[in-house]
Amino acid sequence: QSALTQPPSASGSPGQSVTMSCTGTSSNIGGYNHVSWYQQRPGKAPKMIIYEVSQRPSGVPDRFSGSKSGNTASLTVSGLQPEDEADYYCSSYAGSSSWVFGGGTKLTVL
Amino acid sequence: QLQVEESGGGVVQPGGSLRLSCAASGFSISNNGIQWVRHVPGKGLEWVAFIRFEENFKEKTKSYADSVKGRFTISRDSSENTVYLQMNTLRPEDSALYYCALDWAWGCGPWGQGTLVTVSS
Repeated sequence: QSALTQPPSASGSPGQSVTMSCTGTSSNIGGYNHVSWYQQRPGKAPKMIIYEVSQRPSGVPDRFSGSKSGNTASLTVSGLQPEDEADYYCSSYAGSSSWVFGGGTKLTVL
Repeated sequence: QLQVEESGGGVVQPGGSLRLSCAASGFSISNNGIQWVRHVPGKGLEWVAFIRFEENFKEKTKSYADSVKGRFTISRDSSENTVYLQMNTLRPEDSALYYCALDWAWGCGPWGQGTLVTVSS
């Protein structure tokens, strides 16, 4: 149950786009289309913003998009806004009713 | 509105035990799964445990992260619509903010606000 690998930080200016990566293995990301992304603002609980690689829950702006290629998933935030500043975590199903999370990426809006 | 709320955290000595509760509202745990995830400040999220019982198929699934297997036990009380996480033989590295969440779309749907567990002598 190894953790997924995320870069510790990312940044962009308002209006720009930023993409965050999440690297796993063929036992998790590469083996299933069950990748989720979570946004966690300071002092708040995580909130699902992407499920099943690229689907958005109701109420999540379409500025957030997800994709996957091989063992790596990606989250893109387009048209950055100040309120997008948060920690972002990826997660993947890893088989046998187990899941794995990444270490998180801190997104700074400059 | 789908909601979960955690409780039961506290300070405990190494080797001690705690039982966390996850009270669900707006949905029934009888046909839904619940995830437990923990967060150590400054570190990432770690999946801890999962339970799902499907009334229609009489199937029950319980699973645990390797780091807690044999020490933690997940269970449910349908009459209380509550899931429990019994944590035994606690270690300092179990100190974290513990969240429960509705298992949704192969991920974690609505999360609670978390309950803090501190293992220290």
